Amino acid sequence: DSGVTQTPKHLITATGQRVTLRCSPRSGDLSVYWYQQSLDQGLQFLIQYYNGEERAKGNILERFSAQQFPDLHSELNLSSLELGDSALYFCASSTSGQETQYFGPGTRLLVL
Amino acid sequence: SQQGEEDPQALSIQEGENATMNCSYKTSINNLQWYRQNSGRGLVHLILIRSNEREKHSGRLRVTLDTSKKSSSLLITASRAADTASYFCATDRFGAGKSTFGDGTTLTVKP
Repeated sequence: DSGVTQTPKHLITATGQRVTLRCSPRSGDLSVYWYQQSLDQGLQFLIQYYNGEERAKGNILERFSAQQFPDLHSELNLSSLELGDSALYFCASSTSGQETQYFGPGTRLLVL
Repeated sequence: SQQGEEDPQALSIQEGENATMNCSYKTSINNLQWYRQNSGRGLVHLILIRSNEREKHSGRLRVTLDTSKKSSSLLITASRAADTASYFCATDRFGAGKSTFGDGTTLTVKP
């Protein structure tokens, strides 16, 4: 158990819908990362937050947004969902930014 | 493109054999890390090697780093079926603020 929790574990929704994925980092970790993993794209970095502020941005679509709250949990919002958004979404946390990342179990999103 | 690239993309060996995976990267780094991912699960950190280190061991794992060649290797000795997983390298570049993951090597260990 990494100490990072993600909810929900599974999510099935329809195209055009909006969903919110939630992540609670390990106790004491200030940095949160979001990744998307699909069969054809591999592990893609989406965005990183550090202590409530956006620190780095990767291949995150404009339809996606994220935030980190004062209690350090983070949410990833996916809107206007498309079939191609079906993937595993991982959250990871670390103490600051360049040490070990601890990954959550992931949220499996299926868009029908 | 990703900073780190693993080679080979896939590796299949018999239980008891050694498995070697390589990672190449493009720019100077602070650290390089190796992670393992079992199918459909989150990544698990295996080992971190700093840019001033050349070799590091952890149990049956041996990691080397050659900064002149911008490459690293992960050796798993006496492999077990439970080692079947995907292995990713992640590089931490100066000033980048985050690790960058490669595409991974899929290791299959046959019993």
